[in-house]
Amino acid sequence: NAGVTQTPKFQVLKTGQSMTLQCAQDMNHEYMSWYRQDPGMGLRLIHYSVGAGITDQGEVPNGYNVSRSTTEDFPLRLLSAAPSQTSVYFCASSWRTGGDEQYFGPGTRLTVT
Amino acid sequence: GIQVEQSPPDLILQEGANSTLRCNFSDSVNNLQWFHQNPWGQLINLFYIPSGTKQNGRLSATTVATERYSLLYISSSQTTDSGVYFCAVGPSAAGNKLTFGGGTRVLVKP
Repeated sequence: NAGVTQTPKFQVLKTGQSMTLQCAQDMNHEYMSWYRQDPGMGLRLIHYSVGAGITDQGEVPNGYNVSRSTTEDFPLRLLSAAPSQTSVYFCASSWRTGGDEQYFGPGTRLTVT
Repeated sequence: GIQVEQSPPDLILQEGANSTLRCNFSDSVNNLQWFHQNPWGQLINLFYIPSGTKQNGRLSATTVATERYSLLYISSSQTTDSGVYFCAVGPSAAGNKLTFGGGTRVLVKP
């Protein structure tokens, strides 16, 4: 049981490039979400999903797209990277959608130059 | 949205000391978690505690939901306790949409 996994661990992009951050969980969790953490701050919710085929926006969704075609995977897409998206990105999952303990992946450190 | 405030922002401890970290939140919640972010950036679940009291080794936590605060107790601190401690809450209508506090940065000196 690997829990929540994220790839890559580190990534450097140039402004305007696109990329996809991968997130997978093997716990059959319904709920998955993406957060970003900027230096010296707590995490902020980007997007979330309550099940396959269902996604919604969080607190800071601009510049990011998500999809959930399977229960296990929840990729985050940056369509045109900007320096303001330099951050550490965490994926999380939980068993239920209505308020449950969430488990976080190890994070992806992204730098946009 | 819900506001989460943690105090103190920074804490320096001598190894073996005890401490209390506080988390205040502005609205009713059905989800509250404490995390430890270690120096490598990994977020480690400490407690899922929307109400009541829990203990795990040298750590314990209490949430008084009616008064909108939670406390994390660290006893006999060790250098491995260093890092940032985050409180995160989910409002009653959307418990999984966590709002994080600003964290308490803890440094335990040998």
